[in-house]
Amino acid sequence: GAGVSQSPSNKVTEKGKDVELRCDPISGHTALYWYRQSLGQGLEFLIYFQGNSAPDKSGLPSDRFSAERTGGSVSTLTIQRTQQEDSAVYLCASSFVAGGQGDTQYFGPGTRLTVL
Amino acid sequence: GNSVTQMEGPVTLSEEAFLTINCTYTATGYPSLFWYVQYPGEGLQLLLKATKADDKGSNKGFEATYRKETTSFHLEKGSVQVSDSAVYFCALSDTGNTPLVFGKGTRLSVIA
Repeated sequence: GAGVSQSPSNKVTEKGKDVELRCDPISGHTALYWYRQSLGQGLEFLIYFQGNSAPDKSGLPSDRFSAERTGGSVSTLTIQRTQQEDSAVYLCASSFVAGGQGDTQYFGPGTRLTVL
Repeated sequence: GNSVTQMEGPVTLSEEAFLTINCTYTATGYPSLFWYVQYPGEGLQLLLKATKADDKGSNKGFEATYRKETTSFHLEKGSVQVSDSAVYFCALSDTGNTPLVFGKGTRLSVIA
């Protein structure tokens, strides 16, 4: 079946602009994760959605970052007033969760964000 | 908090050489352990996983054994190929449905 998809694949923006990154998880997966991959910091967790529970936002680096998940499926990560240090590859992953136990996280191809 | 430490790269090997990439972890409880691989220009893919002590994950000739006593999950392959050139990430998850904690990654280059 279809894997996790993300759009756009590349995004170049000017400092101070807002950007939206989209993630379509695997159908039926109840858990959705956002991570960031950058040269200096490696792979960092940003935010986690599971079913109808309140999201775990503990990894968001600042209040300029926010995310929502509509209808338990598609998610959008929004970065307001982008800064050059936001340049990174933003990865989305999804997994199936049953009985409190999760399965493997499957990753999308990522969105490469460049802030000029 | 939880953390993963893996050997620094880059690692350069000749084809058919033996590969070991060390990974140790710190966690409360009994985490699930993973190796992910990122081939050039591609996304992260699960290579193998183990969910409890003494489990061995294996895939594509790679193996890793969950060692609770040494808190390790070292990746091994008996004979590497040029096509194995990639960045390898060790990771853990507390219960399997919590965010992954990744090591910094090890870049492997295999030369013919």
